[in-house]
Amino acid sequence: AQSVTQPDIHITVSEGASLELRCNYSYGATPYLFWYVQSPGQGLQLLLKYFSGDTLVQGIKGFEAEFKRSQSSFNLRKPSVHWSDAAEYFCAVDSRGKSTFGDGTTLTVKP
Amino acid sequence: EAGVTQSPTHLIKTRGQQATLRCSPISGHTSVYWYQQALGLGLQFLLWYDEGEERNRGNFPPRFSGRQFPNYSSELNVNALELEDSALYLCASSLGLAGYNEQFFGPGTRLTVL
Repeated sequence: AQSVTQPDIHITVSEGASLELRCNYSYGATPYLFWYVQSPGQGLQLLLKYFSGDTLVQGIKGFEAEFKRSQSSFNLRKPSVHWSDAAEYFCAVDSRGKSTFGDGTTLTVKP
Repeated sequence: EAGVTQSPTHLIKTRGQQATLRCSPISGHTSVYWYQQALGLGLQFLLWYDEGEERNRGNFPPRFSGRQFPNYSSELNVNALELEDSALYLCASSLGLAGYNEQFFGPGTRLTVL
């Protein structure tokens, strides 16, 4: 069965600092991997996705993620965090239309 | 272009009642997905419909059911409501098979069971 682990429940970074959110997955085949962001009271918005090919994926809002098969990881990064990035971030893996989400990481941005 | 819409925004029911939640996908999208986001339990996959058929189902009891209409809109029905069914229910749509096609999420329906 597929599973997703986001080890960090809550992360606090200063505005302008770099960010890395961790995601580890368990899946038998080559996974379809996603990162979503959910702002308070909002639905989820796709940040980026990985299907195949280049293991470094660029997304919206300046985010990127790197797929590392050997580590079963798909970590999300941003070089310089903005106050508006404060939200909850979810990593997900999909198989046959069934998406499994991690428990999420809440990002707080300090001024 | 209109996004995924869900109704109602909020729904309050009592234990044992039935709840019906509705979702309208983005125009042109044939797949609709339902998720439950309960406090402390994260986002759990409920159901996937495509072209009017149920294609996949998460680990939920049969009292969670739904359907997809010819216009691709969808209903989620929850029978015999229990207190732990209180959650935000999110609907998403995509162009056919997810995983390959991006899912677009609606704002959700907040179900409260008293």
